[in-house]
Amino acid sequence: AQSVTQLDSQVPVFEEAPVELRCNYSSSVSVYLFWYVQYPNQGLQLLLKYLSGSTLVKGINGFEAEFNKSQTSFHLRKPSVHISDTAEYFCAVRRISGGYQKVTFGTGTKLQVIP
Amino acid sequence: NAGVTQTPKFQVLKTGQSMTLQCAQDMNHNSMYWYRQDPGMGLRLIYYSASEGTTDKGEVPNGYNVSRLNKREFSLRLESAAPSQTSVYFCASSRDNLSYEQYFGPGTRLTVT
Repeated sequence: AQSVTQLDSQVPVFEEAPVELRCNYSSSVSVYLFWYVQYPNQGLQLLLKYLSGSTLVKGINGFEAEFNKSQTSFHLRKPSVHISDTAEYFCAVRRISGGYQKVTFGTGTKLQVIP
Repeated sequence: NAGVTQTPKFQVLKTGQSMTLQCAQDMNHNSMYWYRQDPGMGLRLIYYSASEGTTDKGEVPNGYNVSRLNKREFSLRLESAAPSQTSVYFCASSRDNLSYEQYFGPGTRLTVT
């Protein structure tokens, strides 16, 4: 079984400041890793993904994440946040195996950007 | 393209009432999913349909039934609503059950009193 831990339920940050949202996972096999964003009153949309290759992945809206296998982490970063980044962010994992593999979501981190 | 659409957006039910949540996608995706989202618990899979004509249970199927009406539509039914089913329900779809990217609808906010 796999699991995802997002330790911070809320992260307040001032506009134009950098931010890091933390994600740790646990799995006995290799996984794909994802970050989804949920804007208020909307569904989730994929922000970025790690499938293989370079451990630094870039997503939409200036976000990036780094896969660290030894730390089993996949932290999300942005060097300078905007008001429009206020949203809830979900880390997710999925096993790399044949057949259907369910996606396990973390509990989410609410990013509040303060003007 | 509308993507994934869900109806209704909001619903209030009394305990014991039944209702069906509707979901449709216009992306010609084979696989569809129903999740519930509760505060502090992330998203949990209720049921999924890997392809037209098949459905399977997810993590929290008790109290729910689903129907994959055709390739486009996947409905979720609550036969006898309970307060524990108060939640936000999301439908999602993917190209197939091996695809890693899921596309989500805007959600249905359900309150059971």
